[in-house]
Amino acid sequence: GAGVSQSPSNKVTEKGKDVELRCDPISGHTALYWYRQSLGQGLEFLIYFQGNSAPDKSGLPSDRFSAERTGGSVSTLTIQRTQQEDSAVYLCASSLLDLTNTGELFFGEGSRLTVL
Amino acid sequence: GQNIDQPTEMTATEGAIVQINCTYQTSGFNGLFWYQQHAGEAPTFLSYNVLDGLEEKGRFSSFLSRSKGYSYLLLKELQMKDSASYLCAVTNDYKLSFGAGTTVTVRA
Repeated sequence: GAGVSQSPSNKVTEKGKDVELRCDPISGHTALYWYRQSLGQGLEFLIYFQGNSAPDKSGLPSDRFSAERTGGSVSTLTIQRTQQEDSAVYLCASSLLDLTNTGELFFGEGSRLTVL
Repeated sequence: GQNIDQPTEMTATEGAIVQINCTYQTSGFNGLFWYQQHAGEAPTFLSYNVLDGLEEKGRFSSFLSRSKGYSYLLLKELQMKDSASYLCAVTNDYKLSFGAGTTVTVRA
């Protein structure tokens, strides 16, 4: 597609439920990132994919969070047993080049998660 | 670790100039990005500095001093549409670490 696409744009769930957030990056972009943005906070790095592999998962807050990427394209971020502190906007971004080569990150519009 | 500081809020008048400062202390450094984010929208790329000095792009300019761990974004001839959050971000290898952002409000 023309840009990074994320779905759902809004998700309201009850505490304890599982949620899946989807990211469809720009075609051909090998690098994919997930960030989390809480109200009034900066973007918090969650995970980085290069192709289908995730060399850096260090930002995932707990083992309730997991992510996968298939076919070097679509990625899914899964949050199990959601808690109220998981409420945030989850942003996905993709890049054609490695950032050390001035690769620019292109962001999706995010998935706003509200846990009641 | 990564420590990236920028002011929380700034207010300026339409047509004026505003300078947003960013200081950083990071474990590694490849370059510094500035992004613009309007409320409820995705961040969009403004500038990238890897070498010391000033990069100018239309009404926006970005400056970097690596020895001082300092950057600024200069917005000239402010327009109402420039009201947004401006995010300073530092790259280290593949990772982009963000500051909390500066909310700029442009008043008529």
